[in-house]
Amino acid sequence: AQKVTQAQTEISVVEKEDVTLDCVYETRDTTYYLFWYKQPPSGELVFLIRRNSFDEQNEISGRYSWNFQKSTSSFNFTITASQVVDSAVYFCALIGTSYGKLTFGQGTILTVHP
Amino acid sequence: NAGVTQTPKFQVLKTGQSMTLQCAQDMNHEYMSWYRQDPGMGLRLIHYSVGAGITDQGEVPNGYNVSRSTTEDFPLRLLSAAPSQTSVYFCASSSGTGGLRSGANVLTFGAGSRLTVL
Repeated sequence: AQKVTQAQTEISVVEKEDVTLDCVYETRDTTYYLFWYKQPPSGELVFLIRRNSFDEQNEISGRYSWNFQKSTSSFNFTITASQVVDSAVYFCALIGTSYGKLTFGQGTILTVHP
Repeated sequence: NAGVTQTPKFQVLKTGQSMTLQCAQDMNHEYMSWYRQDPGMGLRLIHYSVGAGITDQGEVPNGYNVSRSTTEDFPLRLLSAAPSQTSVYFCASSSGTGGLRSGANVLTFGAGSRLTVL
């Protein structure tokens, strides 16, 4: 079985603060993919990033960065200098070879106050 | 380019009624899927399809039926609605034809359909 846990149900920050969203996963597979999706207040889900299990390099895209650590089974997402437009629900997701279906975490509601 | 189109956006049903949520994509994607989103539960996979004529169950299939007669369409049917099916439903598609490769492709989601069962 596979499982994704986003322990932070809700996070509230003030604009320009840095914020990290945690994602911990469980899988018996050695080959798997991890994702982050964003769901803004409009409701649609938007893809942010995909990593495979063989690539542990951290990634930075503008104010967004991702820290993938297989040793702790974590794939954390950091927003630097947060903005009000970052307010959304963020989902971490996992798919591995044995289950073959995408499993989402519970989601973290991020609210950025002006 | 419309992407993934879901209809209706909102629906209210009475317990025991039936209805179909429509999903259509114009990207020639082989893989299509239905998720439901409930507070604190994230998104849970209901059914999915890796191509026309092929469907399979996801994590929470009970109470739902699907079919895939064409590449473009993947309707979700509720045969006898129950209050527990009150949720927001998302259809999603991606390229790929099955297994890890399909699931590992980036999903394009529809705008969602909010269903309330009284």
